[in-house]
Amino acid sequence: AQSVTQPDIHITVSEGASLELRCNYSYGATPYLFWYVQSPGQGLQLLLKYFSGDTLVQGIKGFEAEFKRSQSSFNLRKPSVHWSDAAEYFCAVGVSPASKLTFGTGTRLQVTL
Amino acid sequence: DSGVTQTPKHLITATGQRVTLRCSPRSGDLSVYWYQQSLDQGLQFLIQYYNGEERAKGNILERFSAQQFPDLHSELNLSSLELGDSALYFCASSVGQVGYGYTFGSGTRLTVV
Repeated sequence: AQSVTQPDIHITVSEGASLELRCNYSYGATPYLFWYVQSPGQGLQLLLKYFSGDTLVQGIKGFEAEFKRSQSSFNLRKPSVHWSDAAEYFCAVGVSPASKLTFGTGTRLQVTL
Repeated sequence: DSGVTQTPKHLITATGQRVTLRCSPRSGDLSVYWYQQSLDQGLQFLIQYYNGEERAKGNILERFSAQQFPDLHSELNLSSLELGDSALYFCASSVGQVGYGYTFGSGTRLTVV
């Protein structure tokens, strides 16, 4: 079965600094990969997704992620973090068009002013 | 507004009771997924329906059941409730292909006292 690992439980960055959130997956073939963001008391919002094509994908709110097959990774990046980016971020993987998504345990991002 | 509607937003009930959570998917989406989010378990997949039929089952307890109706709304029934069932329950919908990602509702917070 597929699995997702987000090694960082909690990350703190200063506003304006760059951000990278790590995500590693376990699956033999190329999975469908997603990043979601959850603000306190809210549902999850899709930031971006990858399943084929260009390995660098752009998402909403200035986020991007890069798929690296050799490292089984799909890390999320943002060049300059805003205070409003403080939230919990989830990486997720699906293995077929009709499959469910398996989510990582999440990374809580704190932004200091 | 994501287009996925979950009711109620909050629910407080006693142990041993039964509750029903309701989800209306985004217009045009045929698949509905239920997830449970708790502090110790993270986001756990419960069950998926596609156009009225059960498609996949995850870590759903026998005390829990779900269905999707002809108008595509779904209900998650939780019975013989225990303190440990306290969690956020999310519904998500999709067109049926995981490559498009899910759209999540804002969740139902269930507190069992």
